[in-house]
Amino acid sequence: EAGVAQSPRYKIIEKRQSVAFWCNPISGHATLYWYQQILGQGPKLLIQFQNNGVVDDSQLPKDRFSAERLKGVDSTLKIQPAKLEDSAVYLCASSPLGGRWDEQYFGPGTRLTVT
Amino acid sequence: GIQVEQSPPDLILQEGANSTLRCNFSDSVNNLQWFHQNPWGQLINLFYIPSGTKQNGRLSATTVATERYSLLYISSSQTTDSGVYFCAVAGGGNKLTFGTGTQLKVEL
Repeated sequence: EAGVAQSPRYKIIEKRQSVAFWCNPISGHATLYWYQQILGQGPKLLIQFQNNGVVDDSQLPKDRFSAERLKGVDSTLKIQPAKLEDSAVYLCASSPLGGRWDEQYFGPGTRLTVT
Repeated sequence: GIQVEQSPPDLILQEGANSTLRCNFSDSVNNLQWFHQNPWGQLINLFYIPSGTKQNGRLSATTVATERYSLLYISSSQTTDSGVYFCAVAGGGNKLTFGTGTQLKVEL
């Protein structure tokens, strides 16, 4: 079974530029998550989708971050405009149903550097 | 929200040694996972263990939900075990809250 796929793996941009990340979850998984991991810290949830609907986006900085999951499969996370403090690894995860008993599986991440 | 504390923050072992990593959490949970983050940043699932005991090779884990802690045991450590070990928990929904991790280095 293929795992969670993410691209690109690395991205370097200047502040105030925009950037987009792509995630393809494990086939058949209904729930998709985006996490942000700043160096030296544990990942922090940004947004959770159940199929193509948003379940939790309470920690998403909505003035600059946006995410969508069209057709309930692939997802994109966008940052516009980027700030220096957005430098981090962006991790995508998926789980079968999204219920309280679900195990989450993570992709390899996209490492973003904002200069 | 739920608070997650991991100890120790750093650990250095000689190859072949055993170790115990601890995860304390502040509220009842429905999901608890242990991950190993390798040097390339990939989070590898070790255990899904909201309660009880599981073993997988040289690794085992125990969660005592009523006392709000989980333990990860690593036996006969190898250099490939090096990396950061994270405990993550979720309460009512499935939003994982991660601890700050234990940085493990296994030396020859």
